[in-house]
Amino acid sequence: SYEVTQPVSVSMALGQTARITCEGNNIGSKNVHWYQQKPGQAPVLVIFRDFNRPSGIPDRFSGSNTGNMAALTINRARAGDEADYYCLVWDGSTVVFGGGTKLTVL
Amino acid sequence: EVQLEESGGGVVQPGGSLRLSCTASGFTFDDYAMHWVRQAPGKGLEWVSLISGDGTTTYYADSVKGRFTISRDNSKNDLYLQMNNLRTEDTALYYCAKDIFDYYSGSYFDHWGQGSLVTVSS
Repeated sequence: SYEVTQPVSVSMALGQTARITCEGNNIGSKNVHWYQQKPGQAPVLVIFRDFNRPSGIPDRFSGSNTGNMAALTINRARAGDEADYYCLVWDGSTVVFGGGTKLTVL
Repeated sequence: EVQLEESGGGVVQPGGSLRLSCTASGFTFDDYAMHWVRQAPGKGLEWVSLISGDGTTTYYADSVKGRFTISRDNSKNDLYLQMNNLRTEDTALYYCAKDIFDYYSGSYFDHWGQGSLVTVSS
């Protein structure tokens, strides 16, 4: 079965840039989607198909996907960006989530 | 406005059964695949199952295969998850989620419910 790996935690200073990675074998050949989840809330889509932003998601959020690594980048970090972030890919007919990354804004 | 509302969670003993429901509104229900995703307390998201718009295609995570059954009633806009032979490790918040397409490998979920808590404990 296909596995994707995310760092458990990422920290960044307010106003700086954070990069959250999602690693998997040849993940660049798959569509990668990213979700933000804040405590007590359902996940919210922040990036779909590698680099596309849904309406309402600020352009501070961007994505990339090549080779064995996909990444979610958050520019000019705000306190409100603190959350858990999950990547999602498909393995054939089933869905795989990354283990999640806790983003802390210092 | 798309709305998804789960119900049916509760406390059940190991080996017991429970059926979750998800009532959908605000979109043409049978045009879209639907998913169940769970989250154990303090843990990450785990995909559980999907069902196509017409209900003929279903897939399951290995961890629930043979114990859980996903189904839908398109006349009622309802999605279900029948959970049998429950284990303590099935304890989680169960979300239903709407796909952006009918079944399509590579798609994503654009709307989620608020979840229904299932606790498996003796």
